[in-house]
Amino acid sequence: QPHLQESGPGLVKPSETLSLTCTVSGDTIDSRNYYWGWLRQPPGKGLEWIGIISNGGSTHYNPSLRSRINISIDTSKNQFSLRLNSVTAADTAVYFCAREITMIGFGVWGQGAMVTVSS
Amino acid sequence: QSALTQPPSASGSPGQSVTIACTGSNSDVGGYGFVSWYQQHPNNAPKLIIFEVTKRPSGVPDRFSGSKSGNTASLTVSGLQADDEAHYYCSSYAGSHSWVFGGGTKLTVL
Repeated sequence: QPHLQESGPGLVKPSETLSLTCTVSGDTIDSRNYYWGWLRQPPGKGLEWIGIISNGGSTHYNPSLRSRINISIDTSKNQFSLRLNSVTAADTAVYFCAREITMIGFGVWGQGAMVTVSS
Repeated sequence: QSALTQPPSASGSPGQSVTIACTGSNSDVGGYGFVSWYQQHPNNAPKLIIFEVTKRPSGVPDRFSGSKSGNTASLTVSGLQADDEAHYYCSSYAGSHSWVFGGGTKLTVL
């Protein structure tokens, strides 16, 4: 099983941009078999799908977040990243990166990274 | 996309069976045969326990089973054990390579 690890600032100011990176080890991110995704979970609440990216850079985003998000991939570093702009307190959550198999779901997850939006 | 509907809580005694429902629409649960279930223990990442409505990943006990009828999917946990106490989330493919999740159900083993 591969290991996924999220990294990035734990505190972001309102109206600024949240940036997270997921580093994958034990597997190549440059695979046609998987998509690589981001999900989040506000404190005490349920999961929300943010979006996914293929090894070739094809992306699919949650319609409710599409105007504010960008997911990118760097196969040379075996990493993929999330940028969420114009954040508010409602974006405070644990952000997970995960590996998706199309139509099956997310079988491998990172441990999650807590991001708080506050001034 | 609208979130799938799950009951906030469910409970059962050790050895009993519990079923958790997940209701969506023709745009997700009812429209596709791709419903997944995740188990999440406190302070842990979710774990995939059911995919394609009824299938279990390797290593998931057969005490966990899934089904679907119309716009409602269900997860049944048989022979409840203490370690089954967790939150359970359903998820459905919703077209255009997107996913929608339920609000989660907290399962308590009495």
